Amino acid sequence: DTGVSQDPRHKITKRGQNVTFRCDPISEHNRLYWYRQTLGQGPEFLTYFQNEAQLEKSRLLSDRFSAERPKGSFSTLEIQRTEQGDSAMYLCASSSQGKGTDTQYFGPGTRLTVL
Amino acid sequence: EDKVVQSPLSLVVHEGDTVTLNCSYEVTNFRSLLWYKQEKKAPTFLFMLTSSGIEKKSGRLSSILDKKELSSILNITATQTGDSAIYLCAEDSTSGTYKYIFGTGTRLKVLA
Repeated sequence: DTGVSQDPRHKITKRGQNVTFRCDPISEHNRLYWYRQTLGQGPEFLTYFQNEAQLEKSRLLSDRFSAERPKGSFSTLEIQRTEQGDSAMYLCASSSQGKGTDTQYFGPGTRLTVL
Repeated sequence: EDKVVQSPLSLVVHEGDTVTLNCSYEVTNFRSLLWYKQEKKAPTFLFMLTSSGIEKKSGRLSSILDKKELSSILNITATQTGDSAIYLCAEDSTSGTYKYIFGTGTRLKVLA
């Protein structure tokens, strides 16, 4: 399968613990995005990488959140000191820099439950 | 701030019916509008509509962009139970960012 992959698919943790999610984009895609989706809502943008550079961060991304894409390939999203409000589906998407428009393709997501 | 509004929020139809889903957007510098289908997993891409491509069709699904009304519709004809999903609309602007702004989605349920 050459689509976007994410790991783990599900994560249950206790409040206060740290969690880390991984995203592997489509191999030739240089852009990578993280979104968060809560029940009944559309995905909300968190952050965006072009190659290894993090070019934009949403105000939703508090100091407890950090994302990296060290070699311009896979990316990790870490949440420190998790809170119950962090429970959501975390979606990763990737796209290829094109002429004017590029389509984002989504991975299966990591569903986080904070107890 | 850019905004996307979808209607209706939910819809229940019977197999064979035709449905029309609506999306309106407010965006500073429009680049494209996208439709995704989301079942119990990640959104899967359906269509991208731009100023140079305002109508797309794939099988029973079609979509039109109305640049004057800042809106788009997604039509599904001869619906099947497999069409049951959440349909998401997203806009993409040229304001120096590549993030998508999504609506809350329309939940479609097709009954056999």
